[in-house]
Parts: sequence; structure tokens; C-alpha cells
Amino acid sequence: DARVTQTPRHKVTEMGQEVTMRCQPILGHNTVFWYRQTMMQGLELLAYFRNRAPLDDSGMPKDRFSAEMPDATLATLKIQPSEPRDSAVYFCASGAEWTEAFFGQGTRLTVV
Amino acid sequence: AQSVAQPEDQVNVAEGNPLTVKCTYSVSGNPYLFWYVQYPNRGLQFLLKYITGDNLVKGSYGFEAEFNKSQTSFHLKKPSALVSDSALYFCAVRDSGYSTLTFGKGTMLLVSP
Repeated sequence: DARVTQTPRHKVTEMGQEVTMRCQPILGHNTVFWYRQTMMQGLELLAYFRNRAPLDDSGMPKDRFSAEMPDATLATLKIQPSEPRDSAVYFCASGAEWTEAFFGQGTRLTVV
Repeated sequence: AQSVAQPEDQVNVAEGNPLTVKCTYSVSGNPYLFWYVQYPNRGLQFLLKYITGDNLVKGSYGFEAEFNKSQTSFHLKKPSALVSDSALYFCAVRDSGYSTLTFGKGTMLLVSP
């Protein structure tokens, strides 16, 4: 059963530390999304890749966040330095062009 | 720019009654519309989609949605609600000319026994 895999599932870190979240998209999917979910803001798009190229990262704070796809089987989202306001659930999703995306289980990040 | 509105933060319905969760959208091209469900501490699960064809689409767990182009709406429906349907529901849209997936704020559905 194909699924999007995210690691780690939970992360607690101290303010100022670097955080790296990883995502393995479903094999054959050419689009990858990173979303952040909070109670206040709901689901926010952070980054969107198509064929490993970043197409939209307008929702991502550029000074501390970065997203990459080093290869077709791995997408990463990094925060450096992390801040308490970054505490949220981060979701990765993958899909084929113009159709639905499939979500991972998310990484729950707590920055203290 | 594309956008989605879910006007109700919460919908309450009694088990066995029909349910409707509302969604309206705005896109510049042809819309690709989706509904997702999220249970506590879980990722979003895909329910159904409209790409083209019949305006009434059927999906998982007995859910269906009706695409109305003139009203730019894509409301989620189910003829008979179950307590287990209680969850957070998201409507989403992709513009045929801009393929980012944009979500609404979500509607909490509470089905009482």
C-alpha cells in the first residue's frame, strides 16, 4: 500500500536549534507539497515542487526555512534557527499532476 | 489567485440525518476540486474529487459532492450521518493554470448519537 512517509513523527527541540524534517513521496508522483497546520492559521502552503524543481515557496519564511528535493525519493524541510512560533504540525503530500495529493502522517514540532 | 471558502467553522447533525458541508471556490481557470477528512492526530485523507464530467461525484465512506459552476460551489453531502463521521473536513482547489493545492480553513463536523 503506497504511502507518503514522514520522519520524525514528533520532534521537541530548543529554540535556536536546527530542525530537519524528511519526506519520502509515493513512487511515481512528480509533485510534492509541504504544509504547516496550526489552530490559528489552519493549513498553510510552505513549498511546492514539481519534478523536483521548486515552483512556489512564497508561503515560507525565507530567512529561516528552506526546502529541497535532493532526489525523487526525498524531500526535506529545514528550519534554522528554530523559534517557538514554529511549533506546528508539518505535513508533506505528494501527487500526480492536476490530481489529488496524498498526505503523510505529519511531523509534530515543538520548539521550547 | 485561487482561494477556497468554508463558511462554517462547525456543523452539528444528529446520527441518521443528512449532512452538508459547504465550500465555495475562486479560480481563474477550470477548477479541480477535492474534499479531504482529518481525524485527530492524523494526516489528511482524500475523500473525493471533481475534475470533469458529472457534477455529482461519489467518494469514500458514502460521501458525495455536487459541483455547481454558476455558484462556484462544491458542497459535501451524505444522506445519513454516522457518529464516526465526526472529524475535520477540508475543501481544496487546484486551478488548471496554476497547480498549487489550496485548502479552505476546514469545517468541524460533529455527529451526535
